[in-house]
Amino acid sequence: ELKVEQNPLFLSMQEGKNYTIYCNYSTTSDRLYWYRQDPGKSLESLFVLLSNGAVKQEGRLMASLDTKARLSTLHITAAVHDLSATYFCAVDGETSGSRLTFGEGTQLTVNP
Amino acid sequence: GAVVSQHPSWVICKSGTSVKIECRSLDFQATTMFWYRQFPKQSLMLMATSNEGSKATYEQGVEKDKFLINHASLTLSTLTVTSAHPEDSSFYICSATPGSRSYEQYFGPGTRLTVT
Repeated sequence: ELKVEQNPLFLSMQEGKNYTIYCNYSTTSDRLYWYRQDPGKSLESLFVLLSNGAVKQEGRLMASLDTKARLSTLHITAAVHDLSATYFCAVDGETSGSRLTFGEGTQLTVNP
Repeated sequence: GAVVSQHPSWVICKSGTSVKIECRSLDFQATTMFWYRQFPKQSLMLMATSNEGSKATYEQGVEKDKFLINHASLTLSTLTVTSAHPEDSSFYICSATPGSRSYEQYFGPGTRLTVT
């Protein structure tokens, strides 16, 4: 059974600071996804990482994938209040046929 | 492009009744659609995988007789919650995958179901 673990689950940070969210998964996969969810809303796709060593950046967010370590990171640079949301990573296991297994989510609060 | 819609966006129904939720891919053909359920403050849990023209594949622990899924066309999948109970109250989200780019999943806006 594929397991996906995120940490931290809750993150409160000051504006302007940097931080990293970690996503570990338990089985071989070459596809990892990061999503953002605002309260009461559905998922917004942030990044799709398709190969080992993949790095993608959009604004203050940067995601990377290390398939050998089964680890992905979502790095936040100089956080702003608008980044407050819940962030999920999700993994598409090799044998899962595009079925995604989600991490527990990281609830990020950026304080002024 | 790649827009997925859901209808209704929210619904309140009485215990014992059935409710149908539609998921449509508006500008692409979705060979596969997925249905997720999300309880408050929790993550998304995959309920079932739906392929056009074939029976849905349900995840372990999901009652197929209670959650009826029909993928009648390449742009429409429906989830019917039969004999709903208050514990079925949840946020139901669908996603769709275009056949040409199976690694992409596009999520609908979700349907909030409240069973009274």
